[in-house]
Amino acid sequence: NAGVMQNPRHLVRRRGQEARLRCSPMKGHSHVYWYRQLPEEGLKFMVYLQKENIIDESGMPKERFSAEFPKEGPSILRIQQVVRGDSAAYFCASSPGTSGTVTDTQYFGPGTRLTVL
Amino acid sequence: AQKITQTQPGMFVQEKEAVTLDCTYDTSDPSYGLFWYKQPSSGEMIFLIYQGSYDQQNATEGRYSLNFQKARKSANLVISASQLGDSAMYFCAMREGDYGGATNKLIFGTGTLLAVQP
Repeated sequence: NAGVMQNPRHLVRRRGQEARLRCSPMKGHSHVYWYRQLPEEGLKFMVYLQKENIIDESGMPKERFSAEFPKEGPSILRIQQVVRGDSAAYFCASSPGTSGTVTDTQYFGPGTRLTVL
Repeated sequence: AQKITQTQPGMFVQEKEAVTLDCTYDTSDPSYGLFWYKQPSSGEMIFLIYQGSYDQQNATEGRYSLNFQKARKSANLVISASQLGDSAMYFCAMREGDYGGATNKLIFGTGTLLAVQP
């Protein structure tokens, strides 16, 4: 029973390049969330998606960041023209989407560690 | 204002003893859920336990229990009989609107680093 899959686990980019982070939710889960963890900090919510829909992007930076969850395939978090401040661990979580309660617990993937040189 | 506060940056506990990790929260929503996650040095986030604001009893999951004091807005995690493998960072998180109209996003505290000593 595979959990949430994220790849790559580690990603190194130079300033100005693009970073693409992928997330495949757990089987049966239709809701995906992206969080960012800066060094020595807790996780900060970025975006919440369902298939083909962005539900809440209140935590996404206004520029350079975008996310999608297409009908087929994984969810993608895309960071254009990366800067050193984008260096962080990016976690994806998924849930079955049963609207609250413990059954909608978010299960996390192993994270992608992005390093911007 | 901080919605989730974890005041203990680090804790030590002897193996086989119990330890309490503190968490206080702030919300005006009567409907919310509280979560604890464990992050070992390998980096993944592991779900431990959940407490709903309307749950009558404190949640328990094996050696983990949640000491939920609603009036004080606290949701402390208690780990009984600590093991070396419990050494990790522990995060408290809240989800508002948990009984309908949930925003679904989790709000995390800054974490407590627990070190279990042999």
